[in-house]
Amino acid sequence: QKEVEQNSGPLSVPEGAIASLNCTYSDRGSQSFFWYRQYSGKSPELIMSIYSNGDKEDGRFTAQLNKASQYVSLLIRDSQPSDSATYLCAVNRGRKGGADGLTFGKGTHLIIQP
Amino acid sequence: DAGVTQSPTHLIKTRGQQVTLRCSPKSGHDTVSWYQQALGQGPQFIFQYYEEEERQRGNFPDRFSGHQFPNYSSELNVNALLLGDSALYLCASSVQETQYFGPGTRLLVL
Repeated sequence: QKEVEQNSGPLSVPEGAIASLNCTYSDRGSQSFFWYRQYSGKSPELIMSIYSNGDKEDGRFTAQLNKASQYVSLLIRDSQPSDSATYLCAVNRGRKGGADGLTFGKGTHLIIQP
Repeated sequence: DAGVTQSPTHLIKTRGQQVTLRCSPKSGHDTVSWYQQALGQGPQFIFQYYEEEERQRGNFPDRFSGHQFPNYSSELNVNALLLGDSALYLCASSVQETQYFGPGTRLLVL
């Protein structure tokens, strides 16, 4: 049974601070890792993908992957109130992330306090 | 460039009825995946279509079936609806790298 675990929160972070979101997964065969953001009542929106161990930065977002520990994280720097949303971690076995069903965590609800 | 589109946006059905949801992928995308998202949960993978064939299936009963057309658009059919089928149904399209989601269809079963 493939599982993805996330702390459901809510995680409350002051505006301008760093928000740190964590995710663990059980399937050691996972090769593609994704973070999606979902606003209330909307569909998931891709933030970042990561395939190799280490850090990947895109603007205010940094994804970190440690396959040995089966751990993925997302850091959001200079958090803004518009970052308040549910963040979904997703993994799959395919080296190409589109060619396989994604397994999602339940999501972490992030609140940025002005 | 239009993104992934889904129809209808909302739907109300009664138990035992059948429903068909539709999805048009992003231009250039050839793979369509369907997900069910219950309130407060992450999306659950239903199945994926590629080259008009079901390529992979999640842990959903045979009441859930689908189809992909030559233009890559797709349908999700659910028979004998149960109250527990009430959820947001998401379609995602891809061409190998990443899955992009449509706005979803919110289904309520009474």
